[in-house]
Amino acid sequence: GAVVSQHPSWVICKSGTSVKIECRSLDFQATTMFWYRQFPKQSLMLMATSNEGSKATYEQGVEKDKFLINHASLTLSTLTVTSAHPEDSSFYICSAGQRAYEQYFGPGTRLTVT
Amino acid sequence: KQEVTQIPAALSVPEGENLVLNCSFTDSAIYNLQWFRQDPGKGLTSLLLIQSSQREQTSGRLNASLDKSSGRSTLYIAASQPGDSATYLCAVIDSGYALNFGKGTSLLVTP
Repeated sequence: GAVVSQHPSWVICKSGTSVKIECRSLDFQATTMFWYRQFPKQSLMLMATSNEGSKATYEQGVEKDKFLINHASLTLSTLTVTSAHPEDSSFYICSAGQRAYEQYFGPGTRLTVT
Repeated sequence: KQEVTQIPAALSVPEGENLVLNCSFTDSAIYNLQWFRQDPGKGLTSLLLIQSSQREQTSGRLNASLDKSSGRSTLYIAASQPGDSATYLCAVIDSGYALNFGKGTSLLVTP
């Protein structure tokens, strides 16, 4: 089956620093990847849609200058949290799929900003 | 904008019981509906995918139904086991590719 990986699985950083999270589709090409965020005891909320070779589409309320998304190839999308603050601490999950009804999720990245 | 609601928010049952989790959505123009399982601090495991033209899907002890016209789906778990304890998320895809998630039902199955 299709596999999506994320790296790192967890990261702790200091306030004001930047953190990059990678999302890779291991055995298929994905023209579109999605980034979700999940706060404790809350559901996943879509942050942005990442399209290979073009700018990401951000959901309302998500700061595009803070959450930089790059989809440089058909198998890799990256999310960079710039100038991270404690309120950015969350669980970040990506998904990828070739069809609207088949989305494969990565295992998630736990970000803690101290 | 699509709104997905899951009831109940939490559920505790003794082992062996059959149970039903509910999901409702506001816009019936969906491509599919998907049920996921999420263990604490982990990613998502897809359980069942129901395409818009289907009424139900079954996998082992799990059965999911879909009624598009009423905007409802149910996940039926038969003969529950402690290993079923997790959060169950319902998600729909409508006009785009991204999934719209409910807040989930936290299930605890006690031995």
